[in-house]
Amino acid sequence: SAVISQKPSRDICQRGTSLTIQCQVDSQVTMMFWYRQQPGQSLTLIATANQGSEATYESGFVIDKFPISRPNLTFSTLTVSNMSPEDSSIYLCSVSTRVTDTQYFGPGTRLTVL
Amino acid sequence: KQEVTQIPAALSVPEGENLVLNCSFTDSAIYNLQWFRQDPGKGLTSLLLIQSSQREQTSGRLNASLDKSSGRSTLYIAASQPGDSATYLCAVRTFQGGSEKLVFGKGTKLTVNP
Repeated sequence: SAVISQKPSRDICQRGTSLTIQCQVDSQVTMMFWYRQQPGQSLTLIATANQGSEATYESGFVIDKFPISRPNLTFSTLTVSNMSPEDSSIYLCSVSTRVTDTQYFGPGTRLTVL
Repeated sequence: KQEVTQIPAALSVPEGENLVLNCSFTDSAIYNLQWFRQDPGKGLTSLLLIQSSQREQTSGRLNASLDKSSGRSTLYIAASQPGDSATYLCAVRTFQGGSEKLVFGKGTKLTVNP
């Protein structure tokens, strides 16, 4: 199994600012993903973080709003840019080694935008 | 487009009762199906993973079944305990929009009353 840590665990931010969330895994993994969970909703995939290249974004999510970095096989960051109250959500990092393997999730970052 | 539905949305039972949570999906072309548990304000804990070629998986008091042809899975919890209270999420791993990803249902919120 993979142990995933996220920083920060929670934050309260002002409208118009940006926040960078870090995800650290205790082992090398092939696939890293970023999800959003809006209040009372299920999880929505934002993007797949690709090591050494640009992330692959899902429909409705764009790089300018959610820039992602993945410099190596154990670390990734997600930035939520120019935040508005609608960005208030839990953001979760997730990893997997192979398609047939269990997908593991980090503890999440709870973001509140005022 | 793959869609995952979970029924019921909420369930309240007395301690000790056996219960079944249901999950259905629209496209049977899946790699696997995973059941998660989410406690309030927390990340996801993986409970069981069923590969597309398997019919069921068991872990302790939990048993998950998969009928891929009919697009259904069930999570059976035996002798429920108050500590089982959480939201249970079903997710299928599928190829969609040019990449493989987990598609989530909206979850079943379980309350086990002492």
